[in-house]
Amino acid sequence: AQKVTQAQTEISVVEKEDVTLDCVYETRDTTYYLFWYKQPPSGELVFLIRRNSFDEQNEISGRYSWNFQKSTSSFNFTITASQVVDSAVYFCALSSDYKLSFGAGTTVTVRA
Amino acid sequence: ETGVTQTPRHLVMGMTNKKSLKCEQHLGHNAMYWYKQSAKKPLELMFVYSLEERVENNSVPSRFSPECPNSSHLFLHLHTLQPEDSALYLCASSQDMIRLSLNTEAFFGQGTRLTVV
Repeated sequence: AQKVTQAQTEISVVEKEDVTLDCVYETRDTTYYLFWYKQPPSGELVFLIRRNSFDEQNEISGRYSWNFQKSTSSFNFTITASQVVDSAVYFCALSSDYKLSFGAGTTVTVRA
Repeated sequence: ETGVTQTPRHLVMGMTNKKSLKCEQHLGHNAMYWYKQSAKKPLELMFVYSLEERVENNSVPSRFSPECPNSSHLFLHLHTLQPEDSALYLCASSQDMIRLSLNTEAFFGQGTRLTVV
């Protein structure tokens, strides 16, 4: 069984603050993929990043960075210097076969 | 058009109505999915189609009936729904089923906001 837990339901910050979103996952598989998706008010989920279970190298891409810790089954996501356009629901997801298992999402509100 | 397109964007239907949701993808993908998104809950996978064949029916009630006439189109036929079926229904597609591939992720449509009254 797979499970993704996003303990934070809502986060509100002022523009330019950093935001870190937590994601903890459970799986019995040794090979799996982790994803972050963003859902703006328009509704569609926008793919942000994918990581496989063998790649624990953390990465920075512009204002986004990811921290994958296999030892703690965590895949956290940070937005640096947040902007109003970052306001959205962010979903962490896990896949080990053809099923994407999503967390409940974290609503991020960035205030000007 | 590109990406994944869903119609209608909003739908209000009575419990005795029959309606259909449509999803169309222009990405040349072979796999398509229906997800249900209820408030404060994780997205729930409903159906998976690969090469127009249903691969997964995730214990979805029979009042939801999917149809995949070709690899570009996916429908969700609705009949005798209940108020608790009100949700955002998201369609997604991927190159193939999301297996262990570095080059596969799912692309989502904007969803159909369904309200059952």
